Amino acid sequence: DTAVSQTPKYLVTQMGNDKSIKCEQNLGHDTMYWYKQDSKKFLKIMFSYNNKELIINETVPNRFSPKSPDKAHLNLHINSLELGDSAVYFCASSRIGGGGNYGYTFGSGTRLTVV
Amino acid sequence: AQSVTQLDSQVPVFEEAPVELRCNYSSSVSVYLFWYVQYPNQGLQLLLKYLSGSTLVKGINGFEAEFNKSQTSFHLRKPSVHISDTAEYFCAVTLDSGSRLTFGEGTQLTVNP
Repeated sequence: DTAVSQTPKYLVTQMGNDKSIKCEQNLGHDTMYWYKQDSKKFLKIMFSYNNKELIINETVPNRFSPKSPDKAHLNLHINSLELGDSAVYFCASSRIGGGGNYGYTFGSGTRLTVV
Repeated sequence: AQSVTQLDSQVPVFEEAPVELRCNYSSSVSVYLFWYVQYPNQGLQLLLKYLSGSTLVKGINGFEAEFNKSQTSFHLRKPSVHISDTAEYFCAVTLDSGSRLTFGEGTQLTVNP
């Protein structure tokens, strides 16, 4: 039973294409996140949703659009992909307010390569 | 806003030696602190966390960390490392009422035979 699952694990695509990454959690958490890990392994939050409501929206290009159909799913759609979008994208979940008590669970990541 | 500084970007050690990975944080309010490990080409795995109570926290794989409020530090230690501990280690912080997890820049631990 995978707690936080992301698909696909690897994604290679050409510049200018549109792609989506899917994330699902079966932990009953009410908050989900997208983090980006760059080539230097630095992790930075992109978005956070609580019960389908956007609560964190960092300075991310408008080409990135998260969508949460329900609190168990948070997808990331990227339009007009650029070379600089190449990175590993991690989905995570937690229980808000108890984020420290319950911890954050991360997916295994999606390695996006734009060529 | 909170921030995290990992003082060493790379730490090479020999097998069976002790190791300490240093982490300092900055926040004007109470925080929760975490250490995560990332093995090559894998996701993030929680090693341990400090929420409250005892300042010495024990985690998985023989790691432990000590919360020091006066020095705003949360250093990770292991008395004897194995080759299999080679990985990237991340210190992270979140506020007690917030949900944003802020990461340090990571420390690459390399255990040599």
